Amino acid sequence: EVQLVESGGDLVQPGGSLRLSCAASGFTFSSYWMHWVRQAPGKGLVWVSRINSDGSTTTYADSVKGRFTISRDNAKNTLYLQMNSLRAEDTAVYYCARGDSYAFVSWGQGTLVTVSS
Amino acid sequence: QSALTQPPSASGSPGQSVTISCTGTSSDVGYYKYVSWYQQHPGKAPKVMIFEVSERPSGVPDRFSGSKSGNTASLTVSGLQAEDEADYYCSSYAGSNNWVFGGGTKLTVL
Repeated sequence: EVQLVESGGDLVQPGGSLRLSCAASGFTFSSYWMHWVRQAPGKGLVWVSRINSDGSTTTYADSVKGRFTISRDNAKNTLYLQMNSLRAEDTAVYYCARGDSYAFVSWGQGTLVTVSS
Repeated sequence: QSALTQPPSASGSPGQSVTISCTGTSSDVGYYKYVSWYQQHPGKAPKVMIFEVSERPSGVPDRFSGSKSGNTASLTVSGLQAEDEADYYCSSYAGSNNWVFGGGTKLTVL
């Protein structure tokens, strides 16, 4: 059974940093692209970032480009999102998702990031 | 990276069919066959219902179907059931390893 478990969400002040993790199991992690998708409270889904299977290429939504960094450790079956210069508008539940056929085929339960003073 | 356009709400009675639209541009929905749909119940993670415009993952009832015409994709739910009441989101590949979501549609089963 595919499992994705996010962690690392917290309350952080504007301008602060946070690193999210997503532990994967039940599939060959190193074979799949992985994504981060976020959802602000009461709002819709927004794609944040994607990394290819070996971690050599990454892409970001314009809203986080230059502030967020996606990475992965295939030996640990773990996906990461380093978030710097956080803003109030980054407040959201952050989901990691497995990519396949250009869709988000498996999702974690999400981790809440709150940016507030 | 503009969001795809979905109606904010849709509704139908049990047993009826309802169709939710998702309008993009010739650079995303209109260009690629990579449109997908997600169901999200309150407080839960999204679940993929359709990928590649009209493909259903195993375990998704065949009451759910997808299609595309031009820059608009559609999700049809036939034989509505109470458990279909949820938020539905479309997504499209937008090229250059970027993706875009729709704003979401709240489906109410009357």
